[in-house]
Amino acid sequence: DGGITQSPKYLFRKEGQNVTLSCEQNLNHDAMYWYRQDPGQGLRLIYYSQIVNDFQKGDIAEGYSVSREKKESFPLTVTSAQKNPTAFYLCASKGQLYSNQPQHFGDGTRLSIL
Amino acid sequence: QQQVKQSPQSLIVQKGGISIINCAYENTAFDYFPWYQQFPGKGPALLIAIRPDVSEKKEGRFTISFNKSAKQFSLHIMDSQPGDSATYFCAASNYGGSQGNLIFGKGTKLSVKP
Repeated sequence: DGGITQSPKYLFRKEGQNVTLSCEQNLNHDAMYWYRQDPGQGLRLIYYSQIVNDFQKGDIAEGYSVSREKKESFPLTVTSAQKNPTAFYLCASKGQLYSNQPQHFGDGTRLSIL
Repeated sequence: QQQVKQSPQSLIVQKGGISIINCAYENTAFDYFPWYQQFPGKGPALLIAIRPDVSEKKEGRFTISFNKSAKQFSLHIMDSQPGDSATYFCAASNYGGSQGNLIFGKGTKLSVKP
């Protein structure tokens, strides 16, 4: 079955530590996204990528970094500069960035501070 | 201009009743309006979507009503069932413009009582 796999499902970060969240898709989609979800805040865009080796900052990119070395993979690193990282992180993909195709979401990673 | 305002924040409906969730937007360039359904611990899943050239779209018990002049759209869930209990997000985007990203409302938590 085609879909988006996020891992791990739960992640704990110590103070001053960088952590990386994995996102893999086998939908052959060009565009990929990272969102942060906080209670009552909806989904806020962190980074997005239109194609391999290209990515753009979203609305809340500070304290986060990404890479897009392969079409299937779009890992998100939460750096120690992100002072409030506790949230539910969602990865999504779509066929092409500038299209009316629907976004498909993974089942998220919940990040907490130790 | 880029916001999508969603109401109510939470909604309790009796089984068999009609659930209504409303969204409003300001950017007249938006041309795609999807609704997503999210169950706890899962990623959002596309429920139904509409383009501004139609005023209503129905899929089973789910209907989107769209009022272009008022810049509002709503989701109606007919014969609501306990299995519909979830968080619902409206969203909007401008696929023909410079940004192909979705702008999400803050979500409505729906509880359907048996």
